[in-house]
Amino acid sequence: EVQLLESGGGLVQPGGSLRLSCAASGFTFSSYAMSWVRQAPGKGLEWVSSISASSGSTYHADSVKGRFTISRDNSKNTLYLQMKSLRAEDTAVYYCTKHDGGGYNARDYWGQGTLVTVSS
Amino acid sequence: DIQMTQSPSSLSASVGDRVTITCRASQSIGNYLHWYQQKSGKAPKLLIYGASNLQSGAPSRFSGSGSETDFTLTISSLQPEDFATYYCQQSYITPPTFGQGTKVEVK
Repeated sequence: EVQLLESGGGLVQPGGSLRLSCAASGFTFSSYAMSWVRQAPGKGLEWVSSISASSGSTYHADSVKGRFTISRDNSKNTLYLQMKSLRAEDTAVYYCTKHDGGGYNARDYWGQGTLVTVSS
Repeated sequence: DIQMTQSPSSLSASVGDRVTITCRASQSIGNYLHWYQQKSGKAPKLLIYGASNLQSGAPSRFSGSGSETDFTLTISSLQPEDFATYYCQQSYITPPTFGQGTKVEVK
């Protein structure tokens, strides 16, 4: 059974930093691209960052470029999101998602999410 | 960026109704269109990928159709557990973008 378990969320002051982790199990983690998707309170879904299976390619939304960094450790089956210079508008539930292996890049599995609150 | 526009933004329906949600892309995306269901307080779940392929475990009353710029999600007979918000998403070009969501409510 595929499981994605996020951790690391919490309350942080504007300008602060936080690192999110996503522990993956139930599939060959090193074979799949992964992404972070966020959802602000009461709002829709917003893609944040993606990383290829081998970490050779990373992508970030313009809204977080230069502040967030996605990475992965395939030896630990773990996905990360390092967040710096956090702003109030970064407040959201952050979901770890797995890409399908069939070439469509649908997000076929999602974690339960971790809440990041940026407030003084 | 490719803009995804869903309609309607919300709808009221009864158990047993046939429900149709549409999603329009601002440019052609082939069949790189996926549908997700999100229940209140829960993570989204993939229902349909590649415009018309039913995700493993998703009920067969869900179906998807369309290509290029116009897509449809259909629930053939609405069940109590289907009251939720539905999102479309394109993966044709980075950044991947989502529609704004369609909330299906009890009539």
